[in-house]
Amino acid sequence: EADIYQTPRYLVIGTGKKITLECSQTMGHDKMYWYQQDPGMELHLIHYSYGVNSTEKGDLSSESTVSRIRTEHFPLTLESARPSHTSQYLCASSQIDRGNYNEQFFGPGTRLTVL
Amino acid sequence: KNQVEQSPQSLIILEGKNCTLQCNYTVSPFSNLRWYKQDTGRGPVSLTIMTFSENTKSNGRYTATLDADTKQSSLHITASQLSDSASYICVVSDRGSTLGRLYFGRGTQLTVWP
Repeated sequence: EADIYQTPRYLVIGTGKKITLECSQTMGHDKMYWYQQDPGMELHLIHYSYGVNSTEKGDLSSESTVSRIRTEHFPLTLESARPSHTSQYLCASSQIDRGNYNEQFFGPGTRLTVL
Repeated sequence: KNQVEQSPQSLIILEGKNCTLQCNYTVSPFSNLRWYKQDTGRGPVSLTIMTFSENTKSNGRYTATLDADTKQSSLHITASQLSDSASYICVVSDRGSTLGRLYFGRGTQLTVWP
């Protein structure tokens, strides 16, 4: 079982609220990722980080922001939530091995509903 | 365009039966292909991972095959159990970036009935 944690697991909030989704991993992985997944659809990469103080935008445009101040922590923030942000958010981490597998380990996800 | 297509979209089988899920991809340059199992409301969990030189890999009742020439993979589940009910996602990684970008299929939703 991968040691990657996300909180909260479920969040229901009103429009305009600021929220932070937490993600932590205890595996010492350098790379971390945030994905967005809607029901029945594929995962879309919205942010990633190569390491401390590194953050990059992914393939899917997102109004969220991320920070990477510590290796183990990669929080995602929405300054003003809207109903269009309703989705499942998955955090993952990886460490490139010699085979360049880049195997990513996923957290349990946060199901966000914005009313 | 790098894509991963899975079929069928959904599948219902009876407990104890076998089934095979399909994955076609156009990702290039190819690095590896993995199958993930995602239970409802959970994150994906890796089942198998195969590189270009591997054409079959097993993990318990799960057996994945890879044909790199035709760019096809399959996941065979033997003697299905109720706990196999989940979405099975095919994921392909490319060699073209330091990120090792992953391309995800939409998954096959498998339901196992008693």
